[in-house]
Amino acid sequence: AQSVTQLGSHVSVSEGALVLLRCNYSSSVPPYLFWYVQYPNQGLQLLLKYTSAATLVKGINGFEAEFKKSETSFHLTKPSAHMSDAAEYFCAVSDLYGGSQGNLIFGKGTKLSVKP
Amino acid sequence: DTEVTQTPKHLVMGMTNKKSLKCEQHMGHRAMYWYKQKAKKPPELMFVYSYEKLSINESVPSRFSPECPNSSLLNLHLHALQPEDSALYLCASSRRSQETQYFGPGTRLLVL
Repeated sequence: AQSVTQLGSHVSVSEGALVLLRCNYSSSVPPYLFWYVQYPNQGLQLLLKYTSAATLVKGINGFEAEFKKSETSFHLTKPSAHMSDAAEYFCAVSDLYGGSQGNLIFGKGTKLSVKP
Repeated sequence: DTEVTQTPKHLVMGMTNKKSLKCEQHMGHRAMYWYKQKAKKPPELMFVYSYEKLSINESVPSRFSPECPNSSLLNLHLHALQPEDSALYLCASSRRSQETQYFGPGTRLLVL
């Protein structure tokens, strides 16, 4: 069965510092992988997605993620944090032929705080 | 444009009330979804509609009744809810089922 593990329920960085949010997945078939961001009292916004093309995926707001099959990871990074990046981040996996039937399986989320 | 709209933004209802949540998209997407999200938790899938037909019902209690009157609209009818049903209800859509989902802003529901 598919699953997603986000390491660290809360990550705190200083403004201007590197952001690294970790995501490991479990899937018996090549997955599709997504990062969504949720600002307080809002819905989920798609940051980026991996759908078996380039392994380094660039998204909105300066974020990018690298698909590493050998490590079953899809970590999200941003070189320099901005105060506006403070939000909840969800990693999600789906696959067409495995247990999720193409539906999203979410990780538990990581809350990113940015200190001035 | 990847906009999904939801109304109302906030809803307070008593346990005997009947209310409806509405979701709309004009992207030509043929799959639409309802999720429930409790505080500090990820969204949980409730229903999936594909080409206006209910394709997935994740064992949701019958007090939640979805409806897809056309390809742009998705409703969630609520009746006799419990306080534990208080949550953020998110709608999403995708071009086809199993493709990238785009979420609306949600309806925050409080059941008294």
